[in-house]
Amino acid sequence: NAGVMQNPRHLVRRRGQEARLRCSPMKGHSHVYWYRQLPEEGLKFMVYLQKENIIDESGMPKERFSAEFPKEGPSILRIQQVVRGDSAAYFCASSQPGGREQYFGPGTRLTVT
Amino acid sequence: GQQLNQSPQSMFIQEGEDVSMNCTSSSIFNTWLWYKQDPGEGPVLLIALYKAGELTSNGRLTAQFGITRKDSFLNISASIPSDVGIYFCAGYYTGANSKLTFGKGITLSVRP
Repeated sequence: NAGVMQNPRHLVRRRGQEARLRCSPMKGHSHVYWYRQLPEEGLKFMVYLQKENIIDESGMPKERFSAEFPKEGPSILRIQQVVRGDSAAYFCASSQPGGREQYFGPGTRLTVT
Repeated sequence: GQQLNQSPQSMFIQEGEDVSMNCTSSSIFNTWLWYKQDPGEGPVLLIALYKAGELTSNGRLTAQFGITRKDSFLNISASIPSDVGIYFCAGYYTGANSKLTFGKGITLSVRP
């Protein structure tokens, strides 16, 4: 299956811990996007990355959140010192260069206790 | 920021019926995408529309890019139980680069 892969699917963290979410794009895709979804809401854009570059991070909270897409390996969304309000489903999508169709992974459901 | 409006929040139909959903915006969009999301899963792309007036089908699904570029429609014909899920419209508005904007979704229930 060459689809977008995310892990872990479920992640439980205590307040103050760090959460690391991973995303491997579809084969042949070099653009990665992260979105957050709260219950009964649509997806909210967080950040758009290409290999080794952050293209648009206008949806990322200014503090505690960071994202990277290294030359080798998956894209990582990192949330430091998690708080209860960070509990949500986080989705990664990928596209081809210049492509307007984004394909989503199954998501990581983060629960902060 | 830009918003896409989808209503009603929920729709209930009988198996075999057709259903139409629309999505509106106050801004011009240059691409419309329709996704379906099942519980616990990620959105799955159903149809992509790139030009005003474009009408595209995917099996029992048909979607149209509105002439004004401020709306889009999705029609599901002869619904079946597996059509149950949340249907999201999404799009790129002019100048937004690759930032997809999503509607809040419509939850579709199909009664057998």
